Amino acid sequence: SLVLTQPPSVSVAPGKTARIACGGTNIGSKTVHWYQQNPGQAPVLVVYDDSDRPSGIPERFSGSNSGDTATLIISRVEAGDEADYYCQVWDRGVVFGGGTKLTVL
Amino acid sequence: EVQLVESGGGLVQPGESLRLSCAASGVTLSNYWMHWVRQAPGKGLVWVSRINRDGTSTTYADSGKGRFTISRDNAKNTLYLQMDSLRAEDTAVYYCAREGVAFDNWGQGTMVTVSS
Repeated sequence: SLVLTQPPSVSVAPGKTARIACGGTNIGSKTVHWYQQNPGQAPVLVVYDDSDRPSGIPERFSGSNSGDTATLIISRVEAGDEADYYCQVWDRGVVFGGGTKLTVL
Repeated sequence: EVQLVESGGGLVQPGESLRLSCAASGVTLSNYWMHWVRQAPGKGLVWVSRINRDGTSTTYADSGKGRFTISRDNAKNTLYLQMDSLRAEDTAVYYCAREGVAFDNWGQGTMVTVSS
């Protein structure tokens, strides 16, 4: 099944834009979901269907998906956004990326 | 408010069995496909299994095929994961997750430790 590759870590200054990539062969043909996980807590859905937001998720969270890369975009980053982020698709089973730790400088 | 509460985790020896439960409140589970996802200590999320709304169709990741059995009791609004022949590499927090728009509700997880 598809392998999803994420950078282990991304750092960003407060107020800037963070972009977390999720690479996979022709991932643009699939629907990508993104989860945020804080230490010791369950994951929380932050973006679904490539770019939609569940209710309660700030508009600062968005996504894109094309070609071999899907991207989670967090605008105007805040200290509270520091967490692990996972991409996920369905490809003959549920597939998660390896996760990216977002550090807010 | 939707709540998913896992239970049944614990410390077992290699080769032993455990049955995890995921009890739902604030939601009728029979309306949803349900999944189990696990996370080894310090590692990422790994999908384990899924079951359709009425329990007639199940799918497993290769790691659990032949050893894990997912089931549900819609009358009790509860999801289960029977885990047999447990191995050290099954050590993880196990989450149940509802498939709505993606995995839009998760339980808090239950820890399974397989060690002699």
